[in-house]
Amino acid sequence: EAGVTQFPSHSVIEKGQTVTLRCDPISGHDNLYWYRRVMGKEIKFLLHFVKESKQDESGMPNNRFLAERTGGTYSTLKVQPAELEDSGVYFCASGHAGTYEQYFGPGTRLTVT
Amino acid sequence: RKEVEQDPGPFNVPEGATVAFNCTYSNSASQSFFWYRQDCRKEPKLLMSVYSSGNEDGRFTAQLNRASQYISLLIRDSKLSDSATYLCVVNTGGTASKLTFGTGTRLQVTL
Repeated sequence: EAGVTQFPSHSVIEKGQTVTLRCDPISGHDNLYWYRRVMGKEIKFLLHFVKESKQDESGMPNNRFLAERTGGTYSTLKVQPAELEDSGVYFCASGHAGTYEQYFGPGTRLTVT
Repeated sequence: RKEVEQDPGPFNVPEGATVAFNCTYSNSASQSFFWYRQDCRKEPKLLMSVYSSGNEDGRFTAQLNRASQYISLLIRDSKLSDSATYLCVVNTGGTASKLTFGTGTRLQVTL
């Protein structure tokens, strides 16, 4: 079974630019999550989709972040405009409906200069 | 106070040693508990789920004490390949809800 995949693996952009991260969950997983780790801190939750619906977006830092999951398959996370403090590793995770376990993708390392 | 607290380490142990990591959580409504392993610049990988009083998987044993809001991970007969950061992770909502991570405990197993 293929795992969670994320694209790109690295992105370096300038402050004020836009970046879009993509996540493809494990096939058949209804639940999709975004997390972020900024340097020196613990991994923190951003938001949770169940199929195409946002179940919980309490962790989204501000309205510069927009997540979508059209069709309930892959998801995108757009940061517009990017700020220096947005630098970090963005992880996507997925899980089966009705279960607690979440499986993580390799992450996208975002650097805003 | 952080929601999930771990000793950051590092723990430096020789091969073959037994090592234990501790974790405390602040939300008494927490429902499920996990240990993840994270290698340098890699994603967290689920090591063990801890649902009841504890469970064992080979050299790894996880214990949960709900009264004390405390979770532990014991690794017996440490291998060089066990060197990694071990993340204590808690779920405070229902099934399929968000995870709260500790900062991780770094383990280095040496010859």
